[in-house]
Order: sequence, then C-alpha cells, then structure tokens
Amino acid sequence: KQEVTQIPAALSVPEGENLVLNCSFTDSAIYNLQWFRQDPGKGLTSLLLIQSSQREQTSGRLNASLDKSSGRSTLYIAASQPGDSATYLCAVRGNTGNQFYFGTGTSLTVIP
Amino acid sequence: SAVISQKPSRDICQRGTSLTIQCQVDSQVTMMFWYRQQPGQSLTLIATANQGSEATYESGFVIDKFPISRPNLTFSTLTVSNMSPEDSSIYLCSVGPLTENYGYTFGSGTRLTVV
Repeated sequence: KQEVTQIPAALSVPEGENLVLNCSFTDSAIYNLQWFRQDPGKGLTSLLLIQSSQREQTSGRLNASLDKSSGRSTLYIAASQPGDSATYLCAVRGNTGNQFYFGTGTSLTVIP
Repeated sequence: SAVISQKPSRDICQRGTSLTIQCQVDSQVTMMFWYRQQPGQSLTLIATANQGSEATYESGFVIDKFPISRPNLTFSTLTVSNMSPEDSSIYLCSVGPLTENYGYTFGSGTRLTVV
C-alpha cells in the first residue's frame, strides 16, 4: 500500500523567506501527484498537479518538483507571505484505480 | 476544473442523530469521492460514489453507518448515521479530473461536531 510522508510536520518562518516542503512516497508507480492547501477547518484548494512524466510545475511563487524514481516531491514557496500560512498536503494517485493517497501534511506559519 | 458546492459548511449535532451532507457539482462527473478528516489527521477515503450503482466503501467504513446516494451525475449525499463524538470530523467530497490536465477538486468541507 502506498504511504505518503511529509516533512517537516510544522514549519514557522519569517515573512519573505523562501522555503521548501518535502513529500515522499513509497511506491514509485504513480499516475500523478498533487499539492493542496488547506486553511483551518476548511476544504482543500489545489495548488499544482504534476503528471508522472513531468519533472516540475510552476504557478506564481510556487514551484513543485517530482522525482518519481526516488519517490520524492518538493514544494518551493518563494518570498513567503503571512497569507501563505496554512497546512500543505501532497497526494499521489496510483496507476490503477482512483485511490488518492494523502500525506500527513505540513503546517506552515509565516510570521509578519 | 469542476466547481463543487458542499453544504452544510458546519453543524453541531446530538449523539444518536444523523446528518446528511450534500455535494453539487457544476459538471457531469462519473465518480465522486467522500473523505473524512479526523482532528489533526490527514484525509481518509470513505467511499466512491458511482452514478447508477452502489457506492464502493473502503475498509473500515460500512454502508449502514455512511449511506451514500448518487441520483445523477452532478449530485451526491453522504449521511453520517447514529452519530457519536468519534464522528466529529471534517467531511469532504471530491471529484476526479475532468481531463487529465486537471487534478482532483474538493468541496469546501463540512465541519461536524457531535456532542
């Protein structure tokens, strides 16, 4: 069974810093990987989707990379802002079926 | 990507009662998914709702506790039955990608507290 782990579990940084969130998965046979943001008590907002054949995706200040062979993805946030404070989740979709495996999440706090 | 309207956004319920959560999608989708997020935990898939057939439940979830309806390609409900405080969670519905360029889309979630 696919297991998805995110490190660190929590991160606190001053405003303006660049930061990296890590996601690792045990089964490299994935269809794609998706990064989400979740504000407290709310649903999920999709940030970036990386197909298994892609190495990275960018959207604004966000850049996500994928190294399928090593079972890793990173989410890079440039010039962090207090509004970036949220929990960030990565999820992988397997090659078969529609099962979506979620990571444990990284809780980010950006201090003004 | 699809837009999902989920309601209620939150509710406080008495133990032993039931709550039905609704999800409306602005596009026709084959599969809808229901997730539970317990406090401090990540998301766990409850079941996959297919239009025109019985929902498929994941291990640890049963139809008597979480009955699901899927009357058409744009709507689904999840009922949390005979609630106990352990059912206090965020419940989210999701739909799969409309095309392969899009990922999964989630509703805004229902925050349930059972007292």
